[in-house]
Amino acid sequence: AQKVTQAQTEISVVEKEDVTLDCVYETRDTTYYLFWYKQPPSGELVFLIRRNSFDEQNEISGRYSWNFQKSTSSFNFTITASQVVDSAVYFCALSGAGDYKLSFGAGTTVTVRA
Amino acid sequence: SQTIHQWPATLVQPVGSPLSLECTVEGTSNPNLYWYRQAAGRGLQLLFYSVGIGQISSEVPQNLSASRPQDRQFILSSKKLLLSDSGFYLCAWSVRARDTQYFGPGTRLTVL
Repeated sequence: AQKVTQAQTEISVVEKEDVTLDCVYETRDTTYYLFWYKQPPSGELVFLIRRNSFDEQNEISGRYSWNFQKSTSSFNFTITASQVVDSAVYFCALSGAGDYKLSFGAGTTVTVRA
Repeated sequence: SQTIHQWPATLVQPVGSPLSLECTVEGTSNPNLYWYRQAAGRGLQLLFYSVGIGQISSEVPQNLSASRPQDRQFILSSKKLLLSDSGFYLCAWSVRARDTQYFGPGTRLTVL
């Protein structure tokens, strides 16, 4: 069974601060896929990144960066120089190689204050 | 490009009434389709998935059912709604099982 833990329920920062969201996962599969999604107040889940278990290279996309460490089963997400538009719920998710289901964490609510 | 639609956007229904939520995908053929429910603003739970027309798999036994009458159409139904069916229903599609799932705008259902 797959399990994703997002220990931070809520994070509140002031604009331009950096914020890091933690994600720890559990799986017995050797091949698996990790995802981050953003859910703004409108409700739609917006795909941010997909990473497979064989690619531990960190990734940067604009103000977003991801740190994947298999040794600690973590896939953390950092928003640099946060903006008010970054306010949302962020979900980490996991699927095994043959899974149809995405196993989601409970989500972290990020509030960026002006 | 691919687009996923859901309707209605919001729905308020009395307990015991029927339900039909629709999801359609444009710009792709033979997608995998999914229904998720998000209760109380958290915790997305997979309800059903489909790998083809008429092929439905249920993840959680419940008061709901799903159907896929056409390649890019996925319908979530209930004959009699319960209070516990309230929530935010999201449809998603992917190319294959392990691929990225792309979500629709969702339907917010309130059962009174």
